[in-house]
Amino acid sequence: DTEVTQTPKHLVMGMTNKKSLKCEQHMGHRAMYWYKQKAKKPPELMFVYSYEKLSINESVPSRFSPECPNSSLLNLHLHALQPEDSALYLCASSQEAGNYGYTFGSGTRLTVV
Amino acid sequence: GDSVTQMEGPVTLSEEAFLTINCTYTATGYPSLFWYVQYPGEGLQLLLKATKADDKGSNKGFEATYRKETTSFHLEKGSVQVSDSAVYFCALSETGANNLFFGTGTRLTVIP
Repeated sequence: DTEVTQTPKHLVMGMTNKKSLKCEQHMGHRAMYWYKQKAKKPPELMFVYSYEKLSINESVPSRFSPECPNSSLLNLHLHALQPEDSALYLCASSQEAGNYGYTFGSGTRLTVV
Repeated sequence: GDSVTQMEGPVTLSEEAFLTINCTYTATGYPSLFWYVQYPGEGLQLLLKATKADDKGSNKGFEATYRKETTSFHLEKGSVQVSDSAVYFCALSETGANNLFFGTGTRLTVIP
């Protein structure tokens, strides 16, 4: 299995809703990432988990809450989002930090209404 | 700090034309360099990579050579196809670092 699987592919949520994005990989990768990508822009790093511990939080608002239940799963819990949070949310994984390249999922396209 | 500067797009080429997308980088150490491709409505796919100076990455007819002297990693393809239409991102990652620095992306459109 050489894939990163993200669910759902599309999500529409209201500003008072609570929802979660899920990401799964079975490649034995020990680093997992959440990126946010706005239209016609490069991905921006949000969070990094290394060996199931949060190692980087790029000053992301607390309405985004990551969770890494085990080495294969990564969640992003969403609460009280704003319309400007609408974007493509990408999950990625890598063997360890640095040189190996990241494997990206196909993303969740989130629309906040 | 680390950064990637990528050729502005969009780029429009006719089928079978030669493609070059320029990428230069700034890094404090000895980074690995990558090209990712994003097809419409999809996530990013690793196209090729190079981990040290003078390495050449290649895949699907695309090539890029890690040039330390010019801090460049230009993407080339000898004959593009309509199916190559996508956004191409140059990226770097430092050894031991948990981040991938992306360029701004270059949109390529290939017309028949």
